Amino acid sequence: EAGVVQSPRYKIIEKKQPVAFWCNPISGHNTLYWYRQNLGQGPELLIRYENEEAVDDSQLPKDRFSAERLKGVDSTLKIQPAELGDSAVYLCASSSYFVSPDTQYFGPGTRLTVL
Amino acid sequence: SQQGEEDPQALSIQEGENATMNCSYKTSINNLQWYRQNSGRGLVHLILIRSNEREKHSGRLRVTLDTSKKSSSLLITASRAADTASYFCATPQGGSEKLVFGKGTKLTVNP
Repeated sequence: EAGVVQSPRYKIIEKKQPVAFWCNPISGHNTLYWYRQNLGQGPELLIRYENEEAVDDSQLPKDRFSAERLKGVDSTLKIQPAELGDSAVYLCASSSYFVSPDTQYFGPGTRLTVL
Repeated sequence: SQQGEEDPQALSIQEGENATMNCSYKTSINNLQWYRQNSGRGLVHLILIRSNEREKHSGRLRVTLDTSKKSSSLLITASRAADTASYFCATPQGGSEKLVFGKGTKLTVNP
């Protein structure tokens, strides 16, 4: 079974530039999560999708961050414009309500550096 | 906000020794989970313990949960160099599927 796929793995941009991250969850997983992990910290949830609906986006900085999950499968997280403080690892995870709703499966993450 | 708090922040041991990490949390939970993160990789789910369980085993891992003290411990027995990683505890917030992670314990196992 293929795991959660994320791309790109690394991204270096200058501040004020836009950036986008892509995630392909495990096949059949209806729940998708985006987390941000700052250096030396644990992941913090940005947004959670149930199928194509964003059910928890309370931690998403909506002035510059946006996300979408078309057709309830792949998802894209965008930052525009990026700021220096956005440098972090962005992790995508998925879970299946029907198999094991409490267990999240993580992708390798995208390490973003904003210069 | 972070619910779980791991202790110690860093731990260095020799191969073959046991490693114990602790996690304290603040509010009532229905389960607590431990994840491992190797350098530059995503998190891997290790084990889940429910609030009505006191101890759980998985291979060389032993997890305990004390709901009265709002704490959990993860024991790795007979450690190996490949166990070198950061270990995080995570708890659901408010009975939802939103997991809140601690800051993690960085474990180094020296060969």
